Amino acid sequence: QVQLQQSGPGLVKPSQTLSLTCAISGDSVSSNSTTWNWIRQSPSRGLEWLGRTCYRSKWYNHYAESVKSRITVNPDTSKNQFSLQLNSVTPEDTAVYYCARWRTLGGSGRFDYWGQGTLVTVSS
Amino acid sequence: SYVLTQPPSVSVAPGQTARITCGGNNIGSKSVHWHQQKPGQAPVLVVYDDSDRPSGIPERFSGSKSGNTATLTISRVEAGDEADYYCQVWDSSSDHPVFGGGTKLTVL
Repeated sequence: QVQLQQSGPGLVKPSQTLSLTCAISGDSVSSNSTTWNWIRQSPSRGLEWLGRTCYRSKWYNHYAESVKSRITVNPDTSKNQFSLQLNSVTPEDTAVYYCARWRTLGGSGRFDYWGQGTLVTVSS
Repeated sequence: SYVLTQPPSVSVAPGQTARITCGGNNIGSKSVHWHQQKPGQAPVLVVYDDSDRPSGIPERFSGSKSGNTATLTISRVEAGDEADYYCQVWDSSSDHPVFGGGTKLTVL
């Protein structure tokens, strides 16, 4: 059974960096058939995909255009986890942040496991 | 970017059938996935690849697609089905997933 356990602060000051970690059990961050994603949810934006990392002989990252200049998603193979860093946050970045596994099987894929979610509030 | 359109709300009496639609341009060429989200919880996949169910999801949940609309059908609705439901596809032009705005299912 795959489990994704999120950790990180729930309050970040404007202009600072939001940092979250997603620890993986039951799978490997280096798996060739999965990608590891960050998604956020807010009343104004709904569910918004932010970025992903995956290993296909080497590491690849891909980010949403809306946050591309501010986001980094990094794998940590030693701890079997991946992280999100979002720089220069504003109150508009206030949301519930989720990590999620995208599993690819037979040419198809889907989000089959999600973390528990972390409410991050951007406020001074 | 690709847009998925869902009705904001659907209401149904217990034991009846709920149908939640998801519209998108050329959605027939894409695999549609449906996620259920109860208050304070993370989304849960209930239908993938238009009409397949993950293990543990009741047969009451089914998916279909016709023209530019995908539909999640919940038969014999129970009070515990009350939740927000989101459709999701992969947008190949931007190479990332896209979610619909969500539909709140109310069980009367």
